[in-house]
Amino acid sequence: GNSVTQMEGPVTLSEEAFLTINCTYTATGYPSLFWYVQYPGEGLQLLLKATKADDKGSNKGFEATYRKETTSFHLEKGSVQVSDSAVYFCAGERGFQKLVFGTGTRLLVSP
Amino acid sequence: ETGVTQSPTHLIKTRGQQVTLRCSSQSGHNTVSWYQQALGQGPQFIFQYYREEENGRGNFPPRFSGLQFPNYSSELNVNALELDDSALYLCASSQQGVGNQPQHFGDGTRLSIL
Repeated sequence: GNSVTQMEGPVTLSEEAFLTINCTYTATGYPSLFWYVQYPGEGLQLLLKATKADDKGSNKGFEATYRKETTSFHLEKGSVQVSDSAVYFCAGERGFQKLVFGTGTRLLVSP
Repeated sequence: ETGVTQSPTHLIKTRGQQVTLRCSSQSGHNTVSWYQQALGQGPQFIFQYYREEENGRGNFPPRFSGLQFPNYSSELNVNALELDDSALYLCASSQQGVGNQPQHFGDGTRLSIL
């Protein structure tokens, strides 16, 4: 079945550092892929998505490229801010709007 | 345009009891999906409702059941509660048949089982 694996956290960075959070997926076919962010006490917010191979999703300085050859969808940001501190979830779509999530990666950014 | 709202925000129950969680979908959305998020884990898909019918189910036992109403709001019912049911329950709504629209999540109901 479909599954998503993402790097364990926490990831601790200083402000303005470069961020990479790894995500790989196992699926039948090539599902749409997503990154969601969860701030404390809140639900999930869609950060970005890609619907087919070689697509690049981007939003708020974050970006991720759908790599079919490595089955990966790594999240990157060139310069993180303290306000980016949150938990990030990689997800794949198994049928319409039925998401399979990774376990989440907590990002802590210090000033 | 109102977003997805869930009620209650917190709930405490004891083992063996039953619980009903509610979700109002975003205006214009006809599909509601429910997820269970245990502490420190990613959300797990429970089931989805589309136009009042169940439209897919994850690996959850039958004591997890749901409803969707004509106004597309939804309920999640859990019978015979177990300690492992303690989790954040998330509802997400979307509009099927209208392009590639993303799901919108509510802030969840935190259920604690004693």
